[in-house]
Amino acid sequence: DIQMTQSPSSLSASVGDRVTITCRASQGIRNSLGWFQHKPGKAPERLIYAASSLESGVPSRFSGSGSGTEFTLTISSLQPEDFATYYCLQHNTYPYTFGQGTKLEIK
Amino acid sequence: EVQVVESGGGLVQPGGSLRLSCAASGFSFTTYDMSWVRQAPGKGLEWVSVIRIRDGSTYYGDSVKGRFTISRDNSKSTLYLQMNSLRAEDTAVYYCTKGAHLDYWGQGTLVTVSS
Repeated sequence: DIQMTQSPSSLSASVGDRVTITCRASQGIRNSLGWFQHKPGKAPERLIYAASSLESGVPSRFSGSGSGTEFTLTISSLQPEDFATYYCLQHNTYPYTFGQGTKLEIK
Repeated sequence: EVQVVESGGGLVQPGGSLRLSCAASGFSFTTYDMSWVRQAPGKGLEWVSVIRIRDGSTYYGDSVKGRFTISRDNSKSTLYLQMNSLRAEDTAVYYCTKGAHLDYWGQGTLVTVSS
């Protein structure tokens, strides 16, 4: 199975900060990666697909990059509604696998 | 409006069985792969299973292989997850998701495995 190593596991930041979350795949997955936001008690939402394509309706402060084994999610200027847990997902090979998650908290 | 609504969760004893359902609407169900994802209390997301529309093939995560079965009824736009030989570690919120790449999620249904 492909292992997805996500870092950091938690992050404290302030409104207006720029933050970056990284996922590393144990083997190449081309651009078969998505990023998801999950708030407590709500359904997770996909933010980014195909590593760098922004989901419709998602603010442009979110961006994704990478290919192969290294991927990043960047939030250019944190807003209060962005404090949540973020996950990467590889969908190149079954079984699909998620990263461990990054909990983004208010500093 | 796209909607997927899970049902069938509840309390079950270890070794027992449960069948989850997911009613889909607002999109052409017969043209999309469908998946299940779960989240155990205090843990991250775990991919569980997919059923592909192209050929009906199914795939499972290692922790549920041989115990869970995914299926779909296209006439009812409904996805199912039959869960057998349930263990305490299967306790989780189970999410139904649309598409090969999980582009839309339901609110989830809670399964608790406990005596």
